[in-house]
Amino acid sequence: GNSVTQMEGPVTLSEEAFLTINCTYTATGYPSLFWYVQYPGEGLQLLLKATKADDKGSNKGFEATYRKETTSFHLEKGSVQVSDSAVYFCALYSSASKIIFGSGTRLSIRP
Amino acid sequence: DGGITQSPKYLFRKEGQNVTLSCEQNLNHDAMYWYRQDPGQGLRLIYYSQIVNDFQKGDIAEGYSVSREKKESFPLTVTSAQKNPTAFYLCASSVGAGPNDEQFFGPGTRLTVL
Repeated sequence: GNSVTQMEGPVTLSEEAFLTINCTYTATGYPSLFWYVQYPGEGLQLLLKATKADDKGSNKGFEATYRKETTSFHLEKGSVQVSDSAVYFCALYSSASKIIFGSGTRLSIRP
Repeated sequence: DGGITQSPKYLFRKEGQNVTLSCEQNLNHDAMYWYRQDPGQGLRLIYYSQIVNDFQKGDIAEGYSVSREKKESFPLTVTSAQKNPTAFYLCASSVGAGPNDEQFFGPGTRLTVL
C-alpha cells in the first residue's frame, strides 16, 4: 500500500543554517505530495504541495521538488529562523479523501 | 473570520466513560475529517465525511463514532470500547475530497483518560 517515510528527528540547527528534511514515498501512480507544518499546541497547516512529477512547491522560503525517479519530496530551506521551529509532516494523497502522513520531524532552531 | 473550531482544548475523562469532541467549521466545506495523533507518530484517519448525512470509516475507526447532521458540524464520540483513547485529536475540512483540495485543520483537542 501507499506509505511515506521521513527522517527521524529531532533536528537541531543554528539560525541561518541550511535545512533538509528527507521524505520518500511508496505509491501506485503519481499522487499529489504535501508538506504540512505543526507549530506547538496547534493544528497542522499546509506548507507547500506538488501535484505532478518535477513540480516544485514553495512557500515561506521552503521548497520541495517532486522526484519520481527517486520517489522523494525532500524539504529544503536556505536559511532557517527560530520561528521555523515546529514539527514537519510529509504526506501524500492516497485515494478517496485519504491523506497518508509520515511520522513527523521535529525541528528546533537555536538563536 | 472563517475557520475550524474544536472544543474543548483539553479534556479529561474517567475510564469507561463516553466523551464527545466538538468540531465546527464556517468555511462552507463539504468534506470533514477526524484524525488521531500520538507522540512520534503521524496522523491516522478515524472517520471522514464527504457530504452531509454520510460518513465513512478511516483506518482506525474501532471504538469511535461520528455524525454529520449539519454541514458545519462533525462531532466525534470516543466510546468506552476504544482501548487507548488518550491522544491528540484533530479535525479538518476541505472544499471537496479530491487530490488538490487542501485540508484545513482545527487547533486540536487533547484527551486524557484517567
